[in-house]
Amino acid sequence: KQEVTQIPAALSVPEGENLVLNCSFTDSAIYNLQWFRQDPGKGLTSLLLIQSSQREQTSGRLNASLDKSSGRSTLYIAASQPGDSATYLCAVRPSNAGNNRKLIWGLGTSLAVNP
Amino acid sequence: DVKVTQSSRYLVKRTGEKVFLECVQDMDHENMFWYRQDPGLGLRLIYFSYDVKMKEKGDIPEGYSVSREKKERFSLILESASTNQTSMYLCASRQQGITEAFFGQGTRLTVV
Repeated sequence: KQEVTQIPAALSVPEGENLVLNCSFTDSAIYNLQWFRQDPGKGLTSLLLIQSSQREQTSGRLNASLDKSSGRSTLYIAASQPGDSATYLCAVRPSNAGNNRKLIWGLGTSLAVNP
Repeated sequence: DVKVTQSSRYLVKRTGEKVFLECVQDMDHENMFWYRQDPGLGLRLIYFSYDVKMKEKGDIPEGYSVSREKKERFSLILESASTNQTSMYLCASRQQGITEAFFGQGTRLTVV
């Protein structure tokens, strides 16, 4: 059974730091992995989608990597800003038959960037 | 840009009421999803639909039903609301295939 873990659960950093958020999954049979951002009391905003054949994706100050064989993805945020404060969630889409329509979610990392 | 719109940001309902949560997407996506999100439990899938009039149970369908009469609209129904259904409800949509999922802004439902 696929499980997704995000460590740490919470992170507090000073403004300007480069930081890495981690996402690990137990089964390498995935179609893709997606990173989301959630502001308090709001819905989810899609940040990056990495297909299983890709190693990384970039959008602005964000870079997400994927290592399927080790079951790991990282979200790198460069030069963090207070506006980056949010909860970051990762989700994988399994590729095994019968379970490939649903996303499997981590519990998220709550990030606080302090001015 | 894809837009997924949920009909309400906040709702307060009484125990036993029938509650409708509406979700509309404007990108002709085949797949639509309803989740609930609770502290410490993360996102849990209630129901999803992969086409008009098609639905499939997620991980926690008890106490809920859904309706998808038109491609752009996916409704979640609480037949008789209970206090343990107080939660944040999130709707998502996705094109058929291995594609990105997009979410609405969420509905915070409180059942009193």
